[in-house]
Amino acid sequence: DSGVTQTPKHLITATGQRVTLRCSPRSGDLSVYWYQQSLDQGLQFLIQYYNGEERAKGNILERFSAQQFPDLHSELNLSSLELGDSALYFCASSVEGLGGTGELFFGEGSRLTVL
Amino acid sequence: AQSVTQPDIHITVSEGASLELRCNYSYGATPYLFWYVQSPGQGLQLLLKYFSGDTLVQGIKGFEAEFKRSQSSFNLRKPSVHWSDAAEYFCAVGNNAGNMLTFGGGTRLMVKP
Repeated sequence: DSGVTQTPKHLITATGQRVTLRCSPRSGDLSVYWYQQSLDQGLQFLIQYYNGEERAKGNILERFSAQQFPDLHSELNLSSLELGDSALYFCASSVEGLGGTGELFFGEGSRLTVL
Repeated sequence: AQSVTQPDIHITVSEGASLELRCNYSYGATPYLFWYVQSPGQGLQLLLKYFSGDTLVQGIKGFEAEFKRSQSSFNLRKPSVHWSDAAEYFCAVGNNAGNMLTFGGGTRLMVKP
């Protein structure tokens, strides 16, 4: 158990809909990262938050947004869903950035299926 | 831009045999390098990491990796594979700002009894 909790574990929805994925980082971790894992794209970095502020942005679509709340949990919002958004979405946390401990702790992921 | 290539998509080894998984990276400065393992239905777990210093790093579960700057490689090795090592292995490179990890495409390891 990494200490990172993601909900829901599985989600099935229709095209055009909007979903919210939630992540609770390990106790004490200030950084939260979101990754998308799909068969064709592999593991893609989406976005990082540090102590409530956006720190880095990767290949995140404009239809996607995220935020980190004062209690440090994070939510990834996916809207106007398309079939191609079906993927496993991982949240990871760390104390600081990679230059700190150098280790990201990953949750078990939220599997999104868009029909 | 940083990138990671894992040339082998699938590898099958016999239990007890040695293992080497290849990883090549592209990064302009001294990289932060990582190997993660993903078991079915699980998240990723860190096996080992390289920041600086000794180019041979030891990790958990008996794994080790060697950083070779001249070859831009960070290959993962294990002298004797166990059936429980069957999983997908990801090599990753981190940027100096410490805020982005770029993963390779992964290598799926199967272990024959």
